[in-house]
Amino acid sequence: GDSVTQMEGPVTLSEEAFLTINCTYTATGYPSLFWYVQYPGEGLQLLLKATKADDKGSNKGFEATYRKETTSFHLEKGSVQVSDSAVYFCALKRGQNFVFGPGTRLSVLP
Amino acid sequence: DAGVIQSPRHEVTEMGQEVTLRCKPISGHNSLFWYRQTMMRGLELLIYFNNNVPIDDSGMPEDRFSAKMPNASFSTLKIQPSEPRDSAVYFCASSLSGGNYEQYFGPGTRLTVT
Repeated sequence: GDSVTQMEGPVTLSEEAFLTINCTYTATGYPSLFWYVQYPGEGLQLLLKATKADDKGSNKGFEATYRKETTSFHLEKGSVQVSDSAVYFCALKRGQNFVFGPGTRLSVLP
Repeated sequence: DAGVIQSPRHEVTEMGQEVTLRCKPISGHNSLFWYRQTMMRGLELLIYFNNNVPIDDSGMPEDRFSAKMPNASFSTLKIQPSEPRDSAVYFCASSLSGGNYEQYFGPGTRLTVT
């Protein structure tokens, strides 16, 4: 079945460091791919998405590119801030089926 | 739009009691999802509805859990009887079905069973 794998956390970075959170997926066909963010005490919020191969989603300085050849959708940000501390979830959608990864906790230290 | 609305936001109950969690999806969305989140198990899909019909309830942990969607604007998740291991944050999410539409999550209900 469809699945999403993320790098294990927690990830701890200093402010202004470069961030990469790896995400790979297994699915038949051409799923849509998403990154969600969950701040403490809140629900998940959509961060960005990409709907076809080579699409790049971007929002709030975060970017991810849909790589069909490597079945990946890695999340990147050039300079993280303390306010980016949260849990990040990679997800795919194929038809009506949503599949979420286990989440990666990011802590950014001042 | 008000977003997905869940109530109550916090629930504390004693073991053996019935618990009912409520969700109002975003108007016009025709898919609704119930999730459970714990530190140990992460985010788990319990059940989802499409056009008010349950499509996949394979994630419902056991018969103590039941979910209904009597109309397009309301859903409930009921636990009877509740147990301490049911303590978790329960999220409701809604979306348009098909296509590339994303899910929108509610703020969650934090359930504590003592």
